[in-house]
Amino acid sequence: DIQMTQSPSSLSASIGDRVTIFCQASQDIGSYLTWFQQKPGKAPKLLIFLASNLETGVPSRFSGSGSGTDFTFTISSLQPEDIATYYCQHYDTLPWTFGQGTKVEIK
Amino acid sequence: QITLKESGPTLVKPTQTLTLTCTFSGFSLNSNGVGVGWIRQPPGKALEWLAVIYWDDDKYFSPSLKTRLTITKDTSKDQVVLTLTNMDPVDTATYYCAHSAPAGGLFDYWGQGALVTVSS
Repeated sequence: DIQMTQSPSSLSASIGDRVTIFCQASQDIGSYLTWFQQKPGKAPKLLIFLASNLETGVPSRFSGSGSGTDFTFTISSLQPEDIATYYCQHYDTLPWTFGQGTKVEIK
Repeated sequence: QITLKESGPTLVKPTQTLTLTCTFSGFSLNSNGVGVGWIRQPPGKALEWLAVIYWDDDKYFSPSLKTRLTITKDTSKDQVVLTLTNMDPVDTATYYCAHSAPAGGLFDYWGQGALVTVSS
């Protein structure tokens, strides 16, 4: 199985800050990576697919980059409604796996 | 508008079989490339992919749970059913079904989730 390692596991930032989350795959997954946002008690919401493509309706302050094994997710200016846990997931070869999540809090 | 909703028991006993139904609308499981997958999340923990079934009845399972999982579809009812045998307290989780885009493994629409607790 391909292991997805996210860092950090949690972070605290101020409103307006730039926030960056990293996701590393244990082997080359090309660009087959998604990023999800999950708020407490809610289902995950797809934000980014194919590593850097913004899902329709998702604010442009969210972005993703990377390919191969190293990926980055960025919130350019943190907003109060962005408080959530963020997960990466690869969809290269089966089985598809998720990172352990990054909890984003307000400082 | 694509929607999915999970239904099933909220409490099962150890060794019992869990049966969950995903009822969806806004798409057809007869459409080329479309699939419905199941993902679970134990309380406070990360997401885990379980299984997926495609329009052509191809099915794939998590290797760690393959011997315990079954997935079927009923296109006349727009439903997908997941069964997990020999339930254990570690299977306590919120179970989600999700629409899989033709890319395979790209889960773009999710149900609200169903919390299943395993306890005697």
